[in-house]
Amino acid sequence: KNQVEQSPQSLIILEGKNCTLQCNYTVSPFSNLRWYKQDTGRGPVSLTIMTFSENTKSNGRYTATLDADTKQSSLHITASQLSDSASYICVVTLENYGQNFVFGPGTRLSVLP
Amino acid sequence: DVKVTQSSRYLVKRTGEKVFLECVQDMDHENMFWYRQDPGLGLRLIYFSYDVKMKEKGDIPEGYSVSREKKERFSLILESASTNQTSMYLCASSLVSLRREQFFGPGTRLTVL
Repeated sequence: KNQVEQSPQSLIILEGKNCTLQCNYTVSPFSNLRWYKQDTGRGPVSLTIMTFSENTKSNGRYTATLDADTKQSSLHITASQLSDSASYICVVTLENYGQNFVFGPGTRLSVLP
Repeated sequence: DVKVTQSSRYLVKRTGEKVFLECVQDMDHENMFWYRQDPGLGLRLIYFSYDVKMKEKGDIPEGYSVSREKKERFSLILESASTNQTSMYLCASSLVSLRREQFFGPGTRLTVL
């Protein structure tokens, strides 16, 4: 069964600290993996996308990594800001003509001053 | 900038009422999706459409129907709302490509009393 798991479920850190969120997937056939940020009460917004051959992608203070062999991805946030408080969702796209996106449950990050 | 708009941010309905949720996108995307999002469960696909008048069931279509009469507009219909349909409903659109990014609307928080 195609599945995406994320850990931790929730995380609290102090402003200025770094953190890493994890995503493990059992999805086939794999096309790409995205990380989305979802602010409270809003729709998700894409942060990064990685295909099978890409193992790292940065977007400002966000850096995503992908290990296609172990089927793991991580999202590292550097020098966290209060505005980073949000849910972060890992989404894997299947490589077929259907619209198959497999969503993880998300990690809820709270950044405290 | 891609824009996906949803007709209501908050909606309160009574059990048994017919409910219409409307979604409009302005980027000429072929694909449109309806999801519901519940705490701890992530996003679950209700229906998607890859063309006008075309629709396919997602993972949880029971109790819902959809309509796509125009390319930019995708409606979700709850024929007889029930309390277990209280949820956040998210609409998304995307192009047809393997790197396709889904663009999400702001969501509709539906409460069924």
